[in-house]
Amino acid sequence: ETGVTQTPRHLVMGMTNKKSLKCEQHLGHNAMYWYKQSAKKPLELMFVYSLEERVENNSVPSRFSPECPNSSHLFLHLHTLQPEDSALYLCASSQDWGGGGTGNTIYFGEGSWLTVV
Amino acid sequence: LAKTTQPISMDSYEGQEVNITCSHNNIATNDYITWYQQFPSQGPRFIIQGYKTKVTNEVASLFIPADRKSSTLSLPRVSLSDTAVYYCLVGPSSGSARQLTFGSGTQLTVLP
Repeated sequence: ETGVTQTPRHLVMGMTNKKSLKCEQHLGHNAMYWYKQSAKKPLELMFVYSLEERVENNSVPSRFSPECPNSSHLFLHLHTLQPEDSALYLCASSQDWGGGGTGNTIYFGEGSWLTVV
Repeated sequence: LAKTTQPISMDSYEGQEVNITCSHNNIATNDYITWYQQFPSQGPRFIIQGYKTKVTNEVASLFIPADRKSSTLSLPRVSLSDTAVYYCLVGPSSGSARQLTFGSGTQLTVLP
């Protein structure tokens, strides 16, 4: 238990569907992140939020839409996805954005497995 | 940017000490070095972090030479459950995406 909870753990959706991934952190952190990990590939940083404001957006297609209503919750809204978007989506948090340094470790959730059919 | 270079894979046997080295020739003065462990289908987990010299915790040691251009993660007496991917990240304590950017990591396989 890392203090970062993701739901659902598994999601199958059609290319025309709209769904959302949810992340909640119970650590009192100010920063939250979305990562994508495709099979046998490194983690790709998608979005960075600090105090509910988006800090980084690494050229992610608009079919992925993040939302951070408060510093404890982060959503990833999905619409008109492609089969190549099938991957493990990981949420993470840290005290301040950027990770690293004493007391600013990144904590990851268990991930949400997404399959686009 | 302090790009990191790690071996792609390593094999070891149960009970041995494993050392994984990460090169970061362009490390900046305010950069920290952090190591994570990732099992299949799970998020990475923090192992250890350091700035200089040696750091030890209950699971690993981190050796950083004086020039800080490399670091070595040492896992004592590994077991089969230590089979995982290990990542080395370098960057400042906050305010930068560098400590958020994972490379390919090192696949450690522990054999019986």
